[in-house]
Amino acid sequence: GENVEQHPSTLSVQEGDSAVIKCTYSDSASNYFPWYKQELGKRPQLIIDIRSNVGEKKDQRIAVTLNKTAKHFSLHITETQPEDSAVYFCAASPPSGNTPLVFGKGTRLSVIA
Amino acid sequence: NAGVTQTPKFQVLKTGQSMTLQCAQDMNHNSMYWYRQDPGMGLRLIYYSASEGTTDKGEVPNGYNVSRLNKREFSLRLESAAPSQTSVYFCASSEQGGTGRSFGSGTRLTVV
Repeated sequence: GENVEQHPSTLSVQEGDSAVIKCTYSDSASNYFPWYKQELGKRPQLIIDIRSNVGEKKDQRIAVTLNKTAKHFSLHITETQPEDSAVYFCAASPPSGNTPLVFGKGTRLSVIA
Repeated sequence: NAGVTQTPKFQVLKTGQSMTLQCAQDMNHNSMYWYRQDPGMGLRLIYYSASEGTTDKGEVPNGYNVSRLNKREFSLRLESAAPSQTSVYFCASSEQGGTGRSFGSGTRLTVV
């Protein structure tokens, strides 16, 4: 089955710098890659997602890139702010409509003011 | 539109007690899920229901049972709680497997 590896497990950046979180997946048939943000004590919330027919997607300060050949995808956050501090999870989904997402183990991002 | 609603938010159980965690969604989603979250372990899938009338095991199903009561509701039951089941439990729903999840606010369960 699908396996998702996420790196790094923790990341500290200065406010205003960029942050990059990387994930690799094992199933070349996977075609949906969402990213979730979980603030302390809160529920995970979908922040951006990408499908395999697209190489890059942007939404204001966040972007996701996908390299299908290498089977990896990345989350990029520019001009980081203290409110970006959270745990970020990547996930991958095989194409079967009934197969659940497989999550990475998460990255704890700290933005230092 | 409340999204995904979980009850209770907090629960303390003694070893061997049983309880049911309730989950309901009002988004007309087909698929529903139960996850547990432990420090450093991410979100691990316990059980899921791809559609009304079906349930399947996830990564960590031992010690749990589920019921998809109808399209809206998906409950998780601990028949005989163990300290290893101390965790935060999240219910989630989606239109289908390959789409984004909406998560409930979580249940913090402690088994002593």
